Amino acid sequence: DAGVTQSPTHLIKTRGQQVTLRCSPKSGHDTVSWYQQALGQGPQFIFQYYEEEERQRGNFPDRFSGHQFPNYSSELNVNALLLGDSALYLCASSRQGLYEQYFGPGTRLTVT
Amino acid sequence: AQSVTQLGSHVSVSEGALVLLRCNYSSSVPPYLFWYVQYPNQGLQLLLKYTSAATLVKGINGFEAEFKKSETSFHLTKPSAHMSDAAEYFCAVSDTGNQFYFGTGTSLTVIP
Repeated sequence: DAGVTQSPTHLIKTRGQQVTLRCSPKSGHDTVSWYQQALGQGPQFIFQYYEEEERQRGNFPDRFSGHQFPNYSSELNVNALLLGDSALYLCASSRQGLYEQYFGPGTRLTVT
Repeated sequence: AQSVTQLGSHVSVSEGALVLLRCNYSSSVPPYLFWYVQYPNQGLQLLLKYTSAATLVKGINGFEAEFKKSETSFHLTKPSAHMSDAAEYFCAVSDTGNQFYFGTGTSLTVIP
C-alpha cells in the first residue's frame, strides 16, 4: 500500500513566479491537508480539502490556493512567490471522521 | 484558539537512558493530541495519538505518552533510548481532527 506521495521532491523558483505542488493521498483516504514547514519550525496549516472543496483554511494569503480532484489527489498553487515562501511543503491525508493524518515526504521549495 | 508549547528545543540523553519530551497544550475544548517524529529530509511519522480514550497511550517504537488534563500536558516518554531515536519530535493538537496545530519541535540527540 503506497502511502502519501508528493511531487516534485525539490523545486527552485524565482521571486514572482508561480508554482504547483502535487499530492496523492494514502489509499482509502478522502481528505487532504497542506502544511508549510519553515526551517527549524513546526508545520503550519495552510488549508484542507474534502469533497473537492476547501473546508478549512489557516492564516495564509490568497496567493496560496488549492484544488482537489475526483480521485482525491490535490494540488497546491502559490502565486507571486516571495523569498519567505521557501520551505518544506507537506501534504497529509486522512479519512473523514478519523482523527489522524498521514504525511508525505514533502516538497522542498527554494525561492531565489 | 489552540496552541502547543514544547519545552526544550534540544534534548540530549545517553543511550539506554530515559527519554522525556515535554508538551503542554492550550485548547478550549477536549483536544485530540498527537506526537509525530521527523527524520532528516523526511515527512512526519505518527508515533501515537490521544482521542479521549485511555489517558496512557502507547505508540510505536516503545514510546508512550500520558494525557493529564489538570496539567494540560501530554509528555512523551521512552524507558530506554536507542541511537535510532535521534530525530525531531513534534507535538500537535486538534479539536476537530481537521486543522492540526504543531509545536516548534524538540530535537533529540542520543549519545552513545
